[in-house]
Amino acid sequence: DQQVKQNSPSLSVQEGRISILNCDYTNSMFDYFLWYKKYPAEGPTFLISISSIKDKNEDGRFTVFLNKSAKHLSLHIVPSQPGDSAVYFCAASAPTGANNLFFGTGTRLTVIP
Amino acid sequence: DAGITQSPRYKITETGRQVTLMCHQTWSHSYMFWYRQDLGHGLRLIYYSAAADITDKGEVPDGYVVSRSKTENFPLTLESATRSQTSVYFCASSESGGVQPQHFGDGTRLSIL
Repeated sequence: DQQVKQNSPSLSVQEGRISILNCDYTNSMFDYFLWYKKYPAEGPTFLISISSIKDKNEDGRFTVFLNKSAKHLSLHIVPSQPGDSAVYFCAASAPTGANNLFFGTGTRLTVIP
Repeated sequence: DAGITQSPRYKITETGRQVTLMCHQTWSHSYMFWYRQDLGHGLRLIYYSAAADITDKGEVPDGYVVSRSKTENFPLTLESATRSQTSVYFCASSESGGVQPQHFGDGTRLSIL
């Protein structure tokens, strides 16, 4: 049973516009959320994270929003660039100390020049 | 260069064979992880290790064996490969447990005929 869900397999956005990637989770014990970016034939690379004590975290063009009551988080990329074209994975962990991550199925973002 | 490396990058084998995937990290990270990536499932945790000689099961451990005699190495063995284990395998490491991002290798694409 998928505890972290990314319901949009793909997203296309024009260069310069905002990209919004969404993620939902079911386990209320999750307290730390991450976004990873993955290019073909490479491993996922860490992008940005947020703790459940916050509702927003920003890093340059990337902002993650967390809505705990809705068990929903989103990643905003502004402005989108062609180099942002990749698969984005949402991940979550619970406070077990083991740092085990539960991943969503990914959203493929294509930024059109 | 410091990092995490996986070998081989590609492997084809037959059902019933034993195959070992290697993972080596140069950061001296305490935690190491093995994931498999399959269409429709995202990345799922197979096994993880908190330190040398300490390993534990993840979400999908059946059919896999791990060991960690040295901090820097975390091999994954399929003792008798099955077609359902055809997948892309990612190794990752993190400095500690808790809210630390995991750093991934570039993956091993394993095909079992």
